[in-house]
Amino acid sequence: ETGVTQSPTHLIKTRGQQVTLRCSSQSGHNTVSWYQQALGQGPQFIFQYYREEENGRGNFPPRFSGLQFPNYSSELNVNALELDDSALYLCASSFSTGDNSPLHFGNGTRLTVT
Amino acid sequence: GNSVTQMEGPVTLSEEAFLTINCTYTATGYPSLFWYVQYPGEGLQLLLKATKADDKGSNKGFEATYRKETTSFHLEKGSVQVSDSAVYFCALRGISSGSARQLTFGSGTQLTVLP
Repeated sequence: ETGVTQSPTHLIKTRGQQVTLRCSSQSGHNTVSWYQQALGQGPQFIFQYYREEENGRGNFPPRFSGLQFPNYSSELNVNALELDDSALYLCASSFSTGDNSPLHFGNGTRLTVT
Repeated sequence: GNSVTQMEGPVTLSEEAFLTINCTYTATGYPSLFWYVQYPGEGLQLLLKATKADDKGSNKGFEATYRKETTSFHLEKGSVQVSDSAVYFCALRGISSGSARQLTFGSGTQLTVLP
């Protein structure tokens, strides 16, 4: 069974640029969530996708957007990067939106904005 | 809104010592409560969970009891090992999350166990 994989592992961008992060969900999982983890902090919920539709969003501006594809993999796009966007971005998948389906996290993408 | 307050670290213990990491929460209704662990360079792994009051979650020698009266979910282990060194996060999922499985996390507690 393949776990959640994220790419790239590390990325350096300049303020104002755009970035796309990718996530392959675990086999059989149809729900993907994205979290932002600033250094020394707990993860913060960005949004969740279920069967290719966004079905929940945290307190993040519209320049954070996403997609989920028919194979349930997902992308996180961030436009007009700011220095405060520097963080570890975590993707998590599950086989449903219910509480009995635990989230499986990837190892994250470390984004540095200079 | 929902929030989680976690004991600040870092915590440094000797091997075989007793561990307690405090966690309290604020939420409407009856949230589900979780402890996650993050090893260096890795994502988060679910350690244990409890979905209703008085439930006890346990895994790998760790335990936590859902205390509604004190809105707490403290993590304990009777005898820690060097391999337990990691960052521990308390989290909740509240009924206000709607259909999205949104977790609200605490700020994390760094645990270092010395041999």
